[in-house]
Amino acid sequence: EIVMTQSPVSLPVTPGEPASISCRSSQSLLAFNGYNYLDWYLHKPGQSPQLLIYSGSNRVSGVPDRFSGSGSGTDFTLRISAVEAEDVGVYYCMQTLQTPLTFGGGTKVEIK
Amino acid sequence: EVQLLESGGGLGQPGGSLRLSCAASGFTFNNYAMNWVRQAPGKGLEWILSISGSGNYTHYADSVKGRFTISRENSRSTLYLQMNNLRAEDTATYYCAKSGKTVWSMDYWGQGTLVTVSS
Repeated sequence: EIVMTQSPVSLPVTPGEPASISCRSSQSLLAFNGYNYLDWYLHKPGQSPQLLIYSGSNRVSGVPDRFSGSGSGTDFTLRISAVEAEDVGVYYCMQTLQTPLTFGGGTKVEIK
Repeated sequence: EVQLLESGGGLGQPGGSLRLSCAASGFTFNNYAMNWVRQAPGKGLEWILSISGSGNYTHYADSVKGRFTISRENSRSTLYLQMNNLRAEDTATYYCAKSGKTVWSMDYWGQGTLVTVSS
C-alpha cells in the first residue's frame, strides 16, 4: 500500500497571502507513460469533496487559476497564489497509481 | 449536468446489513468506473471500493474486504454498496464518486449518506 503523508496538518492563512501544502508518497507515483498519478481534493465544510488537480498538475475546468499543483515522483505541492475566504476547508492528496487508492491525512486551511 | 444521489443510509445494527444506492445521471454511466469513499466522524477520507464501467472488475480496501460488495446496474445507471457484518467502525458518511480525468480520479461526488452502526 502506498502511504501518503501531508504537511502541515493545519494551515492558518491570511486572505491575499500565498499558501502551500506538501504531499509525499511512500513510492513513486510517476508511471511509465510520464504521468504522475496524484490528485488534489478540497473538502469544504458542509459540501462534498471536489477534485481540484489531477495528474499532479492539471487543473480541473472551473477551478480558479490561483490553484496550482507541482511535483513529480514522491514529492508534490499544492499552491494557492492568493488565498480567498472561500478556500477554507480540508485539502487532501490522493494517489491513483494503484489500488488501494490512498489519501493523505488532510490539511485544514483556515483563515487567520 | 452530472448528478449522483446516494440513498439507503441510516442506523445499522452491529453484525447487520445495509444497502446503499447511488443514482447517476448526466453522463453515460457504463463508460466510467465508480467508487465509494467514506469519512468517519472527525476523520479523513478513506477509499473503500471501486468498480469498472462494465462491472467486470472490482477493487476493495482491506478494511471492507469480505464484508462489503460493490456492484452496478448499468441499465438503471445505479451503483450499489452492499454492507454486511457491520461494525461500529463502519460509522461514516459514504460518498459515491465518478471516475473521470484519469482511471481513478474522482471528478464528481454525491452529497453523501450517513451510516451509523450502533445497537
